[in-house]
Amino acid sequence: QVRLQQWGAGLLKPSETLSLTCAVYGGSFSGYYWSWIRQPPGKEPEWIGESNHSGGTNYNPSFKSRAALSVDASKNQFSLKLTSMTAADTGVYYCGRYTGYTYGYFDSWGQGTLVTVSS
Amino acid sequence: DIQMTQSPSSLSASVGDRVTITCRASQSISSYLNWYQQKPGRAPRLLIYAASSLQSGVPSRFSGSGSGTYFTLTISSLQPEDFATYYCHQSSSTPDTFGQGTKLEIK
Repeated sequence: QVRLQQWGAGLLKPSETLSLTCAVYGGSFSGYYWSWIRQPPGKEPEWIGESNHSGGTNYNPSFKSRAALSVDASKNQFSLKLTSMTAADTGVYYCGRYTGYTYGYFDSWGQGTLVTVSS
Repeated sequence: DIQMTQSPSSLSASVGDRVTITCRASQSISSYLNWYQQKPGRAPRLLIYAASSLQSGVPSRFSGSGSGTYFTLTISSLQPEDFATYYCHQSSSTPDTFGQGTKLEIK
C-alpha cells in the first residue's frame, strides 16, 4: 500500500520561499500525477499543482507565477517551491497522489505540514 | 473556476441516523465528483469517487449519487467514527476545486 511522507520548513517570514518534499513508498511512481494541496485554517482544500514521473506539470493559475513543482524519479520524490510567501499562505500543505485515467481523485495523502508565515 | 457549494455547512445528528449532504457545481461536471472525510488534524480520506463508486476499504453505509450539477453523499446509519467534516471535489476541469465543507456533529 502506498505511503506518502512529506517534510519541509514550517515557519517562514514574509517574502521567503516555501520548500516541501514528498517521498512515495510502497507503490509505483509512474502512471500517476503527484499533487500539492493546501488548506487554510478552517477552510476547504485548494489544489496548487501536479507533476508526473517524467516532470510534466500542471498548475492552478492562482499559483502559477509563484509555484514550481519538480520530481526526482530516481528517489520517488517530488517537491514544491512557493515563492513570495505572505500571511495569506498560512495553512496545512499536503502532498497527494492523483489517480484515475478517466475520473481523477486524490486517493493517498501525506501527513500534512503546517506552514505559518509570520514576521 | 468551477464553484462547488455544499449544504448544509453544518449538521447535528445522532448515532444511527441517516444523513444526506448535498453538493452543487456551478456548471455541469458529469460524474467527475469525489467525496472526502476529514477529521481534525488529519489528511482528507477518499470515500467516493466518480460520484458513486465506493473507495476500497470504505464501509458500505457510505454512498454517493448524482451527475451534472447536483450530487449527494448519504450515510445510511451514522456511527461514532463518522463525525467529521466532509468535502466534495470536482475533477472535471482544471483547476480542481473543493466545496466549503459540511461539519457533521453529534447531537
